[in-house]
Amino acid sequence: LAKTTQPISMDSYEGQEVNITCSHNNIATNDYITWYQQFPSQGPRFIIQGYKTKVTNEVASLFIPADRKSSTLSLPRVSLSDTAVYYCLVGDGNSGNTPLVFGKGTRLSVIA
Amino acid sequence: NAGVMQNPRHLVRRRGQEARLRCSPMKGHSHVYWYRQLPEEGLKFMVYLQKENIIDESGMPKERFSAEFPKEGPSILRIQQVVRGDSAAYFCASSPLVPGLGTDTQYFGPGTRLTVL
Repeated sequence: LAKTTQPISMDSYEGQEVNITCSHNNIATNDYITWYQQFPSQGPRFIIQGYKTKVTNEVASLFIPADRKSSTLSLPRVSLSDTAVYYCLVGDGNSGNTPLVFGKGTRLSVIA
Repeated sequence: NAGVMQNPRHLVRRRGQEARLRCSPMKGHSHVYWYRQLPEEGLKFMVYLQKENIIDESGMPKERFSAEFPKEGPSILRIQQVVRGDSAAYFCASSPLVPGLGTDTQYFGPGTRLTVL
């Protein structure tokens, strides 16, 4: 599985847009990019998944450039409740039944 | 549809005792995964099971750790003769037989926090 690199931490004020970039230089052709969110004392929760260009859902947007060597998770107008650790994962999205490989993630702190 | 359930949520054991962690997957899910998380770290894969079968145990320590997913009942992660280094959060995840793209491939439970004194 491709290794990912993310910033260790980020701070943001409420109401701002937050962009977290993940590098995955060795991504394979079959790999999808998936982001998970983890609150303290809880299990990770799926946010969004994409293969190329842009994906948007009710929670976030995911931007993937043409070379797919990086991706950016965009959280619009964050609130205090968005304080969490965000994990970028890369793996074969055609087979959901494979173990997930987590890095250390990005710890986002939202300040009032 | 209840989510993935784990119990107990907190477990305290003394060195040398046994720890049993239980996981009930989401209804209709036949795949179970166990992960361990140390403080300030990401989750590390331990073992992947289907009903009555261990598919991948490459992340599980060779000694003292075992896992099962019987035909009936929850999946069990068993740690024998616990040591202080086993203190961590243990998460279980489940997935359907054929997950859809663009959707959550694995649904996580709330975890069991094991403390070894």
